[in-house]
Amino acid sequence: GAVVSQHPSRVICKSGTSVKIECRSLDFQATTMFWYRQFPKKSLMLMATSNEGSKATYEQGVEKDKFLINHASLTLSTLTVTSAHPEDSSFYICSAGAGARLYEQYFGPGTRLTVT
Amino acid sequence: AQSVTQLGSHVSVSEGALVLLRCNYSSSVPPYLFWYVQYPNQGLQLLLKYTTGATLVKGINGFEAEFKKSETSFHLTKPSAHMSDAAEYFCAVSDQTSGSRLTFGEGTQLTVNP
Repeated sequence: GAVVSQHPSRVICKSGTSVKIECRSLDFQATTMFWYRQFPKKSLMLMATSNEGSKATYEQGVEKDKFLINHASLTLSTLTVTSAHPEDSSFYICSAGAGARLYEQYFGPGTRLTVT
Repeated sequence: AQSVTQLGSHVSVSEGALVLLRCNYSSSVPPYLFWYVQYPNQGLQLLLKYTTGATLVKGINGFEAEFKKSETSFHLTKPSAHMSDAAEYFCAVSDQTSGSRLTFGEGTQLTVNP
């Protein structure tokens, strides 16, 4: 149980375009979802926390107008990178927390974004 | 505020040798502690966790970790390394006040030599 999927696993887009990444909890209802960014050989950097039906809470330094997060249902959250630039190229990972065991997070497999 | 320190960004062991990955944390309230493993271009997989109760916790793939409050440590061990253990390992902490928000260490790259 507690499976989280991400789609796509890899995406290449041109500079200036937008790209959407989906994060789904497959077998549980995720009241909270998290979006992380990971640079090569680095730890995970929390970008934002989203609760179903409410606006996401962004970490300091993360541009909310650039990284749009939507958590419209208990099983789906999306991250849209708007007007992507090469410096947005990174590995994006989502995770989901559920129910009473809110201290646990279940991680998706990640999405490799390359902006050319 | 919470923080996690992983001593040693790179650890190299021989196959069959003991694996010891160090993690120290700081938290003003009782912590929840986690070890995750990440293989290249993949997400994080939970190895084990400590929330309450027994301080020695066993996880998957033969790993275990011991919560030592007096030392604020949660070191990860495995008696005998296998080639498939080569990966990046992350220690993380949360607590009741932070909910499911995790604070990660910088990670330790484990290399297993034949």
